[in-house]
Amino acid sequence: AQSVSQHNHHVILSEAASLELGCNYSYGGTVNLFWYVQYPGQHLQLLLKYFSGDPLVKGIKGFEAEFIKSKFSFNLRKPSVQWSDTAEYFCAVKTSGTYKYIFGTGTRLKVLA
Amino acid sequence: DGGITQSPKYLFRKEGQNVTLSCEQNLNHDAMYWYRQDPGQGLRLIYYSQIVNDFQKGDIAEGYSVSREKKESFPLTVTSAQKNPTAFYLCASRFTGFGNQPQHFGDGTRLSIL
Repeated sequence: AQSVSQHNHHVILSEAASLELGCNYSYGGTVNLFWYVQYPGQHLQLLLKYFSGDPLVKGIKGFEAEFIKSKFSFNLRKPSVQWSDTAEYFCAVKTSGTYKYIFGTGTRLKVLA
Repeated sequence: DGGITQSPKYLFRKEGQNVTLSCEQNLNHDAMYWYRQDPGQGLRLIYYSQIVNDFQKGDIAEGYSVSREKKESFPLTVTSAQKNPTAFYLCASRFTGFGNQPQHFGDGTRLSIL
């Protein structure tokens, strides 16, 4: 069965530290990849998405992610985090030809001021 | 403003009762989804609908039912058969017309058992 793994469940960083959140999926075909963010008390928002083309995708608020097909990975990065980045981050995969999205279990990020 | 409205924000249910969660969107999206969010388990798909009068079971459909009589509405009923209904429920929608569009989410409904 298709699945999405987010290895880091809780991450605590100080402001200005660099961030990398892992996301791996299990599906051999064409995929669309997403990172969503859920700030405290808010609804899920799209951070960035990959459909095709350049595997390095830039999103909002300085986030980026790199699709590495050979590793089935789509890791999220940010060079310097801010206190306002404290949130829960979800990786999601949609396989081609379906309407179904599969979400990872999420990573809670806490940034210390 | 266009968006997805879920109501109510908080809902309490007595054991043995059915309860219906509302989801309405004015984004003219074709596809709509219901997810359940539990701590440490991420989002799990309950049901989804691609078009009016059609819907498919997701990964955890047991104890839930849906209807899609109108494009803008996708209510979810949590039945008494759902043994552990306490959770945060999220509704999402998506435009399927051009290319690959992401999902948009509502603010959620938190359901608790009394």
